[in-house]
Amino acid sequence: AQSVTQLGSHVSVSEGALVLLRCNYSSSVPPYLFWYVQYPNQGLQLLLKYTTGATLVKGINGFEAEFKKSETSFHLTKPSAHMSDAAEYFCAVSDRNAGGTSYGKLTFGQGTILTVHP
Amino acid sequence: EAGVAQSPRYKIIEKRQSVAFWCNPISGHATLYWYQQILGQGPKLLIQFQNNGVVDDSQLPKDRFSAERLKGVDSTLKIQPAKLEDSAVYLCASSPQRRRELGYGYTFGSGTRLTVV
Repeated sequence: AQSVTQLGSHVSVSEGALVLLRCNYSSSVPPYLFWYVQYPNQGLQLLLKYTTGATLVKGINGFEAEFKKSETSFHLTKPSAHMSDAAEYFCAVSDRNAGGTSYGKLTFGQGTILTVHP
Repeated sequence: EAGVAQSPRYKIIEKRQSVAFWCNPISGHATLYWYQQILGQGPKLLIQFQNNGVVDDSQLPKDRFSAERLKGVDSTLKIQPAKLEDSAVYLCASSPQRRRELGYGYTFGSGTRLTVV
């Protein structure tokens, strides 16, 4: 079964510092890959996604992520953290067949809480 | 475009009581999902509908959970009887119909926070 591992349940950075949140998946067929952000008492908001094509994808709020097939990874980065980035971040995958059709279901990692210090 | 609507936002019940949650997806979205998010964990799929048919309910505890999607639009998720471990946020999501578009992510509602005491 597909699994998603997010290294570090809590990450703390200073404002202006680099943000790096790690995500690894387990499937042999590269899935569709997503990063979501969740603010307190809110639903999940899509930050960015990788489906096909360029392996470096840019999302909202200055975030980007790079798909590395050889490492089965999809790490999320932001060059300079802002106080408003403090939230919980989830990596998710959607399995697909060899033809590229997604099965729809999302499998999530356990989440990483990002704290930004002034 | 209106988002995915869920109600109620919060619910507190005693164990062994029953509870129901409602979800109205984005207009035209044929696929609807219910996820359970326990505190400190990522969301877990409970059930997936395509129109009004069930695609995947393998992780739905069918002895106490039920869900329906009449007329292929809105959906209800019911728990009867509730247990303490059912305390969680229940998220509804919807996505477009075409299978390839399913890989392009989908839209989540704000969720219903259930507390069982």
